[in-house]
Amino acid sequence: AQSVTQLGSHVSVSEGALVLLRCNYSSSVPPYLFWYVQYPNQGLQLLLKYTTGATLVKGINGFEAEFKKSETSFHLTKPSAHMSDAAEYFCAVSHNAGNMLTFGGGTRLMVKP
Amino acid sequence: EPEVTQTPSHQVTQMGQEVILRCVPISNHLYFYWYRQILGQKVEFLVSFYNNEISEKSEIFDDQFSVERPDGSNFTLKIRSTKLEDSAMYFCASSDLGPKAFFGQGTRLTVV
Repeated sequence: AQSVTQLGSHVSVSEGALVLLRCNYSSSVPPYLFWYVQYPNQGLQLLLKYTTGATLVKGINGFEAEFKKSETSFHLTKPSAHMSDAAEYFCAVSHNAGNMLTFGGGTRLMVKP
Repeated sequence: EPEVTQTPSHQVTQMGQEVILRCVPISNHLYFYWYRQILGQKVEFLVSFYNNEISEKSEIFDDQFSVERPDGSNFTLKIRSTKLEDSAMYFCASSDLGPKAFFGQGTRLTVV
């Protein structure tokens, strides 16, 4: 069984500040890890993914995440928040291609001017 | 960029009625999925479909639900007799042999 925990359902940062959204997972096999973003009234857009290889992965819009096996974490970061980053962010895990995604509860990011 | 298309964007139905949610996955993809998101809650897996059959399904996907790929392009989710608790955003997704799933914009189902 696999599960995902996102610490903090709401995170508020100032524009220009560091964004850190936390994700921890549990999986009995090496996971594939994902971050998705959902803007209001829209679908889920893939930000980045980790499958194998380099543990620091870069995604769209300046986001990156680091897979830390020892900590079972895949935290999402962005050095400088922009107003347009305000959205809901979901961490997800799967076992392999074609496998179901298990999502975390989501973190709503608010960016203050 | 190719995209997954879902119709309608919003559907209102009366309790007990049947609804069919429609999706057009990306054309060369092999795996198809339905997820749902009840308002304010996490995105939950419903079912995956591969090679014209269900490959996985969750506990949510009971006998009231069915999926079909009636032709080479559409992928549908049918809810036989809707309940109030079926109100949610339903997302269709598809993927090829890689792990990246592409999601549609969703269909908001409201059961009244």
